[in-house]
Amino acid sequence: LAKTTQPISMDSYEGQEVNITCSHNNIATNDYITWYQQFPSQGPRFIIQGYKTKVTNEVASLFIPADRKSSTLSLPRVSLSDTAVYYCLVGEGSGGGADGLTFGKGTHLIIQP
Amino acid sequence: EPEVTQTPSHQVTQMGQEVILRCVPISNHLYFYWYRQILGQKVEFLVSFYNNEISEKSEIFDDQFSVERPDGSNFTLKIRSTKLEDSAMYFCASRDRGTGGLSAFFGQGTRLTVV
Repeated sequence: LAKTTQPISMDSYEGQEVNITCSHNNIATNDYITWYQQFPSQGPRFIIQGYKTKVTNEVASLFIPADRKSSTLSLPRVSLSDTAVYYCLVGEGSGGGADGLTFGKGTHLIIQP
Repeated sequence: EPEVTQTPSHQVTQMGQEVILRCVPISNHLYFYWYRQILGQKVEFLVSFYNNEISEKSEIFDDQFSVERPDGSNFTLKIRSTKLEDSAMYFCASRDRGTGGLSAFFGQGTRLTVV
């Protein structure tokens, strides 16, 4: 899995858009970019995954520039319940893949009223 | 929405005792995993399981650990002789074959406390 770098923590306020950037300079051609969310004492939850350009779902958007050396998770109009740790993972996982996921320390996002 | 379920949610055991943590992965998934998270630390990979055998294991997964899929639905993690340092949240995860990427579904975890 490619090494990733993301901020340790971020603060924002309810109703704001939050962007969390992840650097992955050594991303390989077949690698995907995957983001997870984890609340205290709960398991990680898959949020979004992309390969290039932009991906959007009901929870977030993922922006990936052409060189794919970074990506930005965008959370629109955050609420207090979005306070969590967000993990960026990069890897191939082709054919399903039996490889275990490697989680870093993630970004601890704190949303204030 | 399908989900991975784990039981029990909490388990307290005495040092040296055996524990079995249970998981029911999503029914059509093919790959199964166990992870652990010591309080305040990272989520750590323990083992992956595919086609009724271990596919990959980390150095944490030593001889004290074993996994089993005794029937078509359950996936268990056994710790033979628990140590204090085994106290952690244990998460089960599963995924289908898919077309690529690292998406997986995690359970809510079992909090294991060894005293």
